[in-house]
Amino acid sequence: QVQLRESGPGLVKPSQTLSLICTVSSGSVNSANYYWSWIRQHPGQGLEWIGYIYYTGSTFYNASLKSRVTISLDSSKSQFSLILNSVTPADTAVYFCARWDIPVAALDSWGQGTPVIVSS
Amino acid sequence: DIQMTQSPSSLSASIGDRVTITCRANQSISIALNWYQKKPGKAPQLLIHTASTLQSGVPSRFGGSGSGTDFTLTISSLQPEDFATYYCQQSYSPLFTFGPGTKVDIK
Repeated sequence: QVQLRESGPGLVKPSQTLSLICTVSSGSVNSANYYWSWIRQHPGQGLEWIGYIYYTGSTFYNASLKSRVTISLDSSKSQFSLILNSVTPADTAVYFCARWDIPVAALDSWGQGTPVIVSS
Repeated sequence: DIQMTQSPSSLSASIGDRVTITCRANQSISIALNWYQKKPGKAPQLLIHTASTLQSGVPSRFGGSGSGTDFTLTISSLQPEDFATYYCQQSYSPLFTFGPGTKVDIK
């Protein structure tokens, strides 16, 4: 059973860079069957897809965040990461990493989520 | 992007009730529709994919139906562990957008 776990700072100052890592265990990030994804949930709100990366390194980003976001993959560590630049308090959210199963066409495995607060 | 709506936004129900949640897309998405359950402080859990296929390990009291633009999630007999927020998601085209959620709480 694959497991995903997010890690990173829980507090980031405005205008700085948010950096999170998702570690994948009991599974390979080199599979052609998955997109490795980041999703966030603002306080009291719904789920927002940030973007995903394929094992080839190709990426897809939410247009509303595209100018500030980078997702990358480190297959040697079985990790993928999220970088969000120039954060504001509006980026305060719980950030989830998740696996999109391409044949199933759904997010079938999720991390527990990590809360990030943007505040000075 | 494809826009998703859900109704109701919240509902109150009792144990044993039959609960129905509706999800609508602003264009046809065939059967490319997933349902997730989200509890506070927990990761979302995939319940149903491709509109009506129950994910492995999900109780059979959960059911999905629909195609095109209109979809339904049904819980045939609500159990205590089912109080949660339910999200639909289209898997027709990236960005795989979510609906705003339906919160199910105890009457």
